[in-house]
Amino acid sequence: EIVLTQSPGTLSLSPGERATLSCRASQSVSSSYLAWYQQKPGQAPRLLIYGASSRATGIPDRFSGSGSGTDFTLTISRLEPEDFAVYYCQQYGSSHTFGQGTKLEIK
Amino acid sequence: EVQLVESGGGLVQPGRSLRLSCAASGFTFDDYAMHWVRQAPGKGLEWVSGISWNSGSIGYADSVKGRFTISRDNAKNSLYLQMNSLRAEDTALYYCAKGTEIAAAAPMDYWGQGTLVTVSS
Repeated sequence: EIVLTQSPGTLSLSPGERATLSCRASQSVSSSYLAWYQQKPGQAPRLLIYGASSRATGIPDRFSGSGSGTDFTLTISRLEPEDFAVYYCQQYGSSHTFGQGTKLEIK
Repeated sequence: EVQLVESGGGLVQPGRSLRLSCAASGFTFDDYAMHWVRQAPGKGLEWVSGISWNSGSIGYADSVKGRFTISRDNAKNSLYLQMNSLRAEDTALYYCAKGTEIAAAAPMDYWGQGTLVTVSS
């Protein structure tokens, strides 16, 4: 099973700042089958990024994904108030696994 | 508009069974794989099981293998999860999620609001 480790566990930033979230896999993720989701309290997750770097439908371009192999990054270029949430990475190349999540909180 | 509505959750004793259902609408159901993902209270997401468009490919998390069975009825636009030998650690909100492709090796672009399963004596 591929284990995904996200860092940091909590990220405290202010609106307007840049956020960089990391997801590291225990082994290479085939074909960059890596996705990112956003989850707000009381809501279902929302797909942000798939294929490591492709934005899902309707996702603002301040969200971007990068990486390959075992190291992946989600970047939010300028934080908006609605971006403060928990973010999960997921690999779907070898069954499915999720990372433990990064909580992005307002500083 | 894509809608996924889960049902069948509730309080159940350890060792008993429960069957979850997910009613899908707003898209061509048999064009996509479907999944169950769960979230224990205050915890992260855990993929439970996935099924391809024609039920030809099915997968399970190790934590539920041999106890849970996923199925779908394309004529009824419905997804199911039969859960047997339930344990306290199965307590979670269970989400039904739509895959982005016919095969299960793809992300999930629409999610229901979940149905809560509580396993307790």
